[in-house]
Amino acid sequence: SYELTQPPSVSVSPGQTARITCSGDALPKQYAYWYQQKPGQAPVLVIYKDSERPSGIPERFSGSSSGTTVTLTISGVQAEDEADYYCQSADSSGTCVFGGGTKLTVL
Amino acid sequence: QLQLQESGPGLVKPSETLSLTCTVSGGSISSSSYYWGWIRQPPGKGLEWIGSIYYSGSTYYNPSLKSRVTISVDTSKNQFSLKLSSVTAADTAVYYCARHWNGGNANWFDPWGQGTLVTVSS
Repeated sequence: SYELTQPPSVSVSPGQTARITCSGDALPKQYAYWYQQKPGQAPVLVIYKDSERPSGIPERFSGSSSGTTVTLTISGVQAEDEADYYCQSADSSGTCVFGGGTKLTVL
Repeated sequence: QLQLQESGPGLVKPSETLSLTCTVSGGSISSSSYYWGWIRQPPGKGLEWIGSIYYSGSTYYNPSLKSRVTISVDTSKNQFSLKLSSVTAADTAVYYCARHWNGGNANWFDPWGQGTLVTVSS
């Protein structure tokens, strides 16, 4: 089955830049999406179609794509950005898949 | 503002069928632009897509769960429902419903319901 691979954890100091990667063979042909999930809350979409930002999401959140890897970048990380982040895409048959999640720790 | 709310029993016995309903408010489930999906998250673990439905009743499921899953829609009540049969402890999870944007090579979920914890235990 298709898999998306994320690092389990990323740590950054406040004000620095956090980069979270997601790798998958189908990513050159399928868009990727990113969700932020804080403890006890439902996931919230922060990036869609690789690099588009939904309304209401701060400009410090951005996304990019290169080959089989997509990256979520959070510039000027704030304490409130500490959360789990999940990438999501689909395989060629349309089956939706989530990455394993990355815990972002703000030191 | 579109909102989704899951409802159903929080405790299900092993081998029985889990049944949940998602009520959509602030918009019509009959919109031609969207599917409506179910996603689950076992405690302390990641997200897993279960399946999605179009207002016409067209469905597609995660192959790993397909044999046990049925998703249906009731447009008169602006609701869609999930049934998962022959449950085991491995099906214990928070179950979320969400609007599923689905078209071409685009597939994403927004917004999500708050989620409901279903525990499988005797």
